[in-house]
Amino acid sequence: EVQLVESGGGLVKPGGSLRLSCAASGFTFSKYGMNWVRQAPGKGLEWVSSISRSGGDINYAGSLKGRFTITRDNAKNSLELQMNSLRAEDTAVYFCARGAPPDYYDSSGFDIWGQGTMVTVSS
Amino acid sequence: SYELTQPPSVSVSPGQTARITCSGDALSKQYTHWYQQKPGQVPVLVIYKDSERPSGIPERFSGSSSGATVTLTIGGVQAEDEADYYCQSADNSGSYWMFGGGTKLTVL
Repeated sequence: EVQLVESGGGLVKPGGSLRLSCAASGFTFSKYGMNWVRQAPGKGLEWVSSISRSGGDINYAGSLKGRFTITRDNAKNSLELQMNSLRAEDTAVYFCARGAPPDYYDSSGFDIWGQGTMVTVSS
Repeated sequence: SYELTQPPSVSVSPGQTARITCSGDALSKQYTHWYQQKPGQVPVLVIYKDSERPSGIPERFSGSSSGATVTLTIGGVQAEDEADYYCQSADNSGSYWMFGGGTKLTVL
């Protein structure tokens, strides 16, 4: 079964850090670009970051650049998001999703999504 | 900054056709994808590359594009189609993905 499972969410104080993980199974992880998408409570979807199959092509939402870092380990079939200097507005469910980065014109959208992990930034 | 604009809500009666639009300057140059999200559930891809339908998605879901506007059409709407729908596309330079603000489809 094709599956993405996120972990690492939780409660963190403003200014703190958190590292999210996404474990992939059921498909050849190294053949797909990957993404993080977040959704604040009661709000819409917001793309966070993309990484290409090899990890050599990385994109971030402009508002997050410098605070968040996306990485992947194809040997371990895992995707990660390091989040620093967290703010209250970063509170959201964070999804990992399979799909190409935005500069891949032939993208077919995000076809597989994990269940998400909740990140709450509060004092 | 670049934005994708969707109507906040669309309402239709069962059996009617629902049309949800998405507007953005780069849509004539970039593909658009559509997602359905039901309350408490994960988004599901229902249309990709403007008009392609993933396997398992009912034929009543279709997509079209005309200039800077793309449209998701749901023909013969059923109660189970009630959900939030989001369009997604890239900016002109392919630097980032954008999601529209979402449209809540209500089946009356």
